[in-house]
Amino acid sequence: AQSVTQLDSQVPVFEEAPVELRCNYSSSVSVYLFWYVQYPNQGLQLLLKYLSGSTLVKGINGFEAEFNKSQTSFHLRKPSVHISDTAEYFCAVSDTPTDKLIFGTGTRLQVFP
Amino acid sequence: DAGVIQSPRHEVTEMGQEVTLRCKPISGHDYLFWYRQTMMRGLELLIYFNNNVPIDDSGMPEDRFSAKMPNASFSTLKIQPSEPRDSAVYFCASSLGGLAGGKSYEQYFGPGTRLTVT
Repeated sequence: AQSVTQLDSQVPVFEEAPVELRCNYSSSVSVYLFWYVQYPNQGLQLLLKYLSGSTLVKGINGFEAEFNKSQTSFHLRKPSVHISDTAEYFCAVSDTPTDKLIFGTGTRLQVFP
Repeated sequence: DAGVIQSPRHEVTEMGQEVTLRCKPISGHDYLFWYRQTMMRGLELLIYFNNNVPIDDSGMPEDRFSAKMPNASFSTLKIQPSEPRDSAVYFCASSLGGLAGGKSYEQYFGPGTRLTVT
């Protein structure tokens, strides 16, 4: 079965600094990867997804992620963060063919002024 | 579309009582998922349905939990009897199709129901 590891439980960063949130998944023949964001007291919202094609995926709010098959990673990046990016970020991988998503434990991004 | 609708948003109940959480998925979506989120265990998939049929309930903690989907626009998650350790935020999510056939498989989450069992 698939599994996801988010290496950092918390990432503090100053506003306008770049950030990278790390995600590694267990190897599989085919894999579909997702990043979700959860703002306080809200449900999860899809940031971006990799299903196939270009390994660099662009999402909403200026985020992007790169699929690296050799390193089984799907790290999330943003070149310049805002206070409003403060949230919990979840990496997820599909467990085909069951259509379930396996979520990581989340990374809390805290942006300071 | 209004998105995934969950009710109630907050529920406080006493141990031993029955609790029913409700979910209305996005119209046209054929997958529905129930998740539980706690600080200790993170986000856990409890059960999911495809075309109103339960596909995988291996995440349901025990027999006290049950879920139904009587039609394409409504699902319930019931806990009977409730216990303090059931306190959590329960999310419902829906999606259009799985990965086969090139569907997007994006899951849309509701705002959640915060359950407190005293």
